[in-house]
Amino acid sequence: QVQLQESGPGLVKPSQTLSLTCSVSGGSMSSTNYFWSWVRQPAGKGLEWIGRIYTSGSTNYNPSLKSRVTISIDRSKNQFSLRLSSVTAADTAVYYCAGGEYGFAVWGQGTTVTVSS
Amino acid sequence: EMVMTQSPATLSVSPGEGATLSCRASQSVASNFAWYQQKPGQAPRLLIYAASTRATDVPARFSGSGSGTDFTLTISSLQSEDFAVYYCQQYNNWPLTFGGGTKVEIK
Repeated sequence: QVQLQESGPGLVKPSQTLSLTCSVSGGSMSSTNYFWSWVRQPAGKGLEWIGRIYTSGSTNYNPSLKSRVTISIDRSKNQFSLRLSSVTAADTAVYYCAGGEYGFAVWGQGTTVTVSS
Repeated sequence: EMVMTQSPATLSVSPGEGATLSCRASQSVASNFAWYQQKPGQAPRLLIYAASTRATDVPARFSGSGSGTDFTLTISSLQSEDFAVYYCQQYNNWPLTFGGGTKVEIK
């Protein structure tokens, strides 16, 4: 059973870059047909899809964030990563990594990122 | 961007009763549609994908139906562990989008 775990700083200063990594265990990312995504959720609010990456390295991003987002993959480490630049308080949220072929079948537990000076 | 509208926002149900949740897409998403359950402090859990296929280990009391623009999640007899927030999601078009959620609370 594939499991996901997010890691990264819980506090980021405004205008800086948020960087998170999702570690995949229980199987190789490359051996599934999954695409790997980042999803975020501000406190008390709904879910927002940020973007996704295939094991081939091809990516798709939410246009609302596209100019600030980069998702990358490290197959050798079985990890994928999120970088979100020029953050503001509006980027404060729980960030989830997720994977799936039809919908998101597997999720990390989520990591809270606060943007504050 | 595809807008997903869920109704009602809150549904008050007694344990053992059934519940019907709705989601409407602003354009057709064919059957590229999923339902999730989220409990406080937890990540969402996939319940239904391809509009009507139950995900692994999802109890049979959960069923999904619909295609195109109108979708329904039915819970046949609510158990205590089913009180949660439910989200719909389309994966037919970019960007992937979620509905605003329906909170199912104890009546």
